[in-house]
Amino acid sequence: GAVVSQHPSWVICKSGTSVKIECRSLDFQATTMFWYRQFPKQSLMLMATSNEGSKATYEQGVEKDKFLINHASLTLSTLTVTSAHPEDSSFYICSARDLRQGSGELFFGEGSRLTVL
Amino acid sequence: AQRVTQPEKLLSVFKGAPVELKCNYSYSGSPELFWYVQYSRQRLQLLLRHISRESIKGFTADLNKGETSFHLKKPFAQEEDSAMYYCALSGGGNEKLTFGTGTRLTIIP
Repeated sequence: GAVVSQHPSWVICKSGTSVKIECRSLDFQATTMFWYRQFPKQSLMLMATSNEGSKATYEQGVEKDKFLINHASLTLSTLTVTSAHPEDSSFYICSARDLRQGSGELFFGEGSRLTVL
Repeated sequence: AQRVTQPEKLLSVFKGAPVELKCNYSYSGSPELFWYVQYSRQRLQLLLRHISRESIKGFTADLNKGETSFHLKKPFAQEEDSAMYYCALSGGGNEKLTFGTGTRLTIIP
């Protein structure tokens, strides 16, 4: 199946700093990628839909100035958590569909664990 | 608005016993329903989808539009089935996927 890779897998940062997480589709092109957030023992919450070459679409309640998304190419989307605070500590997961397959299956990255001190 | 409900957060079943993980949904159009599984320390992966009507690892799920349900079933549980299971819904195409809260399945040896 298609592979989605995230980097870094985990990151620790000081409060007030910004952190960038990359999401790459390794063997397919993705015009759309999705960013999710997962709190411990909870479900995945969709944060935003990342669209190649245009602005991301954010879900209600997600601050777009806080979580900057850039989808500069068909294989890369980045999520930048700006001025991070401890409450931003979470597991961030990206996903994408390989539209060559008609199944609608969404492929997930391995996730990035952010800890803000 | 689309919504997915998994009423059971935790489910424990003895090995060899039948398993049923419940999923109900709310959607105004014709949804596509999926079951995703997350094994310990692994990424989320697709288990099965309603449009393919296939059985994966002994699991099946039938879309019941009348009851708006998509329950996941397996006749005989195996220890390796222990994992987190998420029911998910999409409007089709490249639409976003909405997840349920998940059910942690534990198979008791």
